[in-house]
Amino acid sequence: QQQVKQSPQSLIVQKGGISIINCAYENTAFDYFPWYQQFPGKGPALLIAIRPDVSEKKEGRFTISFNKSAKQFSLHIMDSQPGDSATYFCAARMAGQGNLIFGKGTKLSVKP
Amino acid sequence: NAGVTQTPKFRILKIGQSMTLQCTQDMNHNYMYWYRQDPGMGLKLIYYSVGAGITDKGEVPNGYNVSRSTTEDFPLRLELAAPSQTSVYFCASSYSSTETGANVLTFGAGSRLTVL
Repeated sequence: QQQVKQSPQSLIVQKGGISIINCAYENTAFDYFPWYQQFPGKGPALLIAIRPDVSEKKEGRFTISFNKSAKQFSLHIMDSQPGDSATYFCAARMAGQGNLIFGKGTKLSVKP
Repeated sequence: NAGVTQTPKFRILKIGQSMTLQCTQDMNHNYMYWYRQDPGMGLKLIYYSVGAGITDKGEVPNGYNVSRSTTEDFPLRLELAAPSQTSVYFCASSYSSTETGANVLTFGAGSRLTVL
């Protein structure tokens, strides 16, 4: 299975709150799991990424949690800010290939 | 350093017309990709290229063609435009696919195409 399932489709969080976006996959041949952030009218940009041999990666307010046995990974945004309002995509890469398989995206709105 | 440049940004086509979306990157990346983005559907791979002269189909190639004559350029051709091709198209490039964790796709700003 090549699919990456992402939820929720949309998310509203108050300023200062924690935003959590979840993704699940079936194919154990995936070897790289990035998250992309997209602002309206712009192309997606890499936010943070993780390999399956690591359970957690943190960069500033953004953390990826990875559960290899459950084949799930999630993005946590701590102290969410209005400037974080964007669409977030999880993705996965098949080992030995270059292209990414994307989830359907989560539109995050952070209310002041 | 411009990154990935796409033209045009917007285009309206009539059914049956043809056009080419241009994509140029100045990062000397060997891999290039075309994705389409439809509301609520994420990004779907149309075609990709691992180097000059080499292209391959992605998940949704029907109705499109590509060529890669140089490292820098990867144009996407629509031969007979159909309303189903109304979408936002993104070109991307990356340096390496085989190094674990090194596959950072750099995207262009997108080309919004409407077929009426």
